[in-house]
This record gives sequence, C-alpha cells and structure tokens, in this order.
Amino acid sequence: NAGVMQNPRHLVRRRGQEARLRCSPMKGHSHVYWYRQLPEEGLKFMVYLQKENIIDESGMPKERFSAEFPKEGPSILRIQQVVRGDSAAYFCASSLGQAGNIQYFGAGTRLSVL
Amino acid sequence: GDSVTQMEGPVTLSEEAFLTINCTYTATGYPSLFWYVQYPGEGLQLLLKATKADDKGSNKGFEATYRKETTSFHLEKGSVQVSDSAVYFCALRNAGNMLTFGGGTRLMVKP
Repeated sequence: NAGVMQNPRHLVRRRGQEARLRCSPMKGHSHVYWYRQLPEEGLKFMVYLQKENIIDESGMPKERFSAEFPKEGPSILRIQQVVRGDSAAYFCASSLGQAGNIQYFGAGTRLSVL
Repeated sequence: GDSVTQMEGPVTLSEEAFLTINCTYTATGYPSLFWYVQYPGEGLQLLLKATKADDKGSNKGFEATYRKETTSFHLEKGSVQVSDSAVYFCALRNAGNMLTFGGGTRLMVKP
C-alpha cells in the first residue's frame, strides 16, 4: 500500500520561473494538505483541499501561490515567479476523511531557488 | 490563534539515557495532540497521539500524556537508542483540521 507520493523530491528553479509540485495521496484518501518548512523551522500550514474544492487556504501567500486537487490526478502546488524566499521543503499530507483522521505525510519536495 | 511551543534543541544524550522533550500549547476548544518524528531527508511520521485530557499516547517506547491543566504534552522515553536520533515535532489539531506545529527539537543520541 503506497504512502503519500510527492515529486519531484528536489527541484531547482531560477528566480522568476515557475515551480510545480505534485502530491498523490494515499489510496482512498480524499483530503490533501500542503505545509511548508523553512530551514530550521517547524511546518506551517498552507492549504487544505478536497477533490475539486479548496477547503481552507488561510496559510497560502496571497500572490504567486495556488493549489488544486482535480477529480483525477494528483494535487498540484504551483508557485509562479519564484523568489529566493520560496526556498523550502514543501510537504503534502493526506487523510481519509476530516475530523479525527490521521494525516500521513509524504517525503517532501525540496525547492531551491537560485 | 493556536500555537505550540517546544524546547529548543539540539538535545544530546548518551545511549540508554532518559529523554524528555517539553511541549506546551495554546488553543481554544479541545484540540488533539500529536508527536511526529522526522528522520534525515524524510517526511514526518506519526509517533503518537492523544485526543482528550489525561489520554496517554505511546509507541516504540515513547510516551506523552495530554495534560489540560498545564496545557502540556511532554514526550518521554526511558532509554534512548542511537536510532532515535531525529527531529521531533509536537503538533495540535483543532476544529479547522489543519495541524499547528512547534518548531521541532533535534535529538542526537551518542553511542
């Protein structure tokens, strides 16, 4: 039973380019969460999605960042016009349902902006 | 808003020593509490959880008790091993379903 799959594991972009991070949840999970971990810091919530719906995006920067979880395929976190401050590890988690369900984490995507 | 504070690291111990990592929280309502562990280069793995006051979560020799009166969820292990070296995160989940994490505590266990 595959866990949460994130790709790529490492992503290098130059300032101004776009970064697309993918997350495939565990089989049967319909809830996806994205978190960002800055160097030497804890994880910070970004966005919570269900299939085709954004439930809570209170942690997402207002500009350049967007997320989707389509009916088919993985969840995508998209960062447009990346800046050096976007360099971080981005973790995706999935859960079976809502309240009371454990969030299982992927191995993360480490974004480096040159 | 909700917040989690845990002791700063690194914590360096010898093998078989007793471990305590302090965690306190601020939250409205009745959050669930978690400890996650992150090994180098990997994602977070759930270590243990507690969903209500006085619950004790335990796994792999680690324990933590949900203390509502002191708003704490300290992680303990009686005898650490080198393989326990990792970063440990305390977290809470409230009504919004997202997790709020502490800053993490790096544990280094020496043989």
